[in-house]
Amino acid sequence: DGGITQSPKYLFRKEGQNVTLSCEQNLNHDAMYWYRQDPGQGLRLIYYSQIVNDFQKGDIAEGYSVSREKKESFPLTVTSAQKNPTAFYLCASTARGGLNEKLFFGSGTQLSVL
Amino acid sequence: GEDVEQSLFLSVREGDSSVINCTYTDSSSTYLYWYKQEPGAGLQLLTYIFSNMDMKQDQRLTVLLNKKDKHLSLRIADTQTGDSAIYFCAEISAGNMLTFGGGTRLMVKP
Repeated sequence: DGGITQSPKYLFRKEGQNVTLSCEQNLNHDAMYWYRQDPGQGLRLIYYSQIVNDFQKGDIAEGYSVSREKKESFPLTVTSAQKNPTAFYLCASTARGGLNEKLFFGSGTQLSVL
Repeated sequence: GEDVEQSLFLSVREGDSSVINCTYTDSSSTYLYWYKQEPGAGLQLLTYIFSNMDMKQDQRLTVLLNKKDKHLSLRIADTQTGDSAIYFCAEISAGNMLTFGGGTRLMVKP
């Protein structure tokens, strides 16, 4: 079945450690997005990519990095510079990057700090 | 800046109607959306409405848009326990990006 796969489901980070969250889609979508969700708050955009080898910062990009070397993959690295990384991270994609297109979401990764 | 606001919590009895409200600020929004999030899962698009529409109905779901007051609502008829979830409204804001509200947690009591 087509869809977006995020892994792992749960991830723990030690102080000073970088961790990478995986997001893979087989929908042939051009645009991919990373959101951060904190309890009681809406989703905040971290990074997005509308085409391979190109990506843009969202509203809260500090402490995060991404790459888009392949159309189907958009991994997110949470660096040690992100001082409050505990959150639920959601990856999403759309066909053409215009948001009148349906936004498909993965099932999320819960990141916690040890 | 853009801001989308929702009440945090709504509790209804099974079989009643639920109305979830949302206010937004960007008058140039072209599309407004309702997403549903079940525990530990991603968001699922429920429905959307184009800004030149006042109402859209889809089975048990009715979306009402008051563009003058920048008010959006989602009515769920005959609410079931399976409707218990967090509901997010979202608008397309400047730069063609989605801005989400904080989500309304709907609890359906049997």
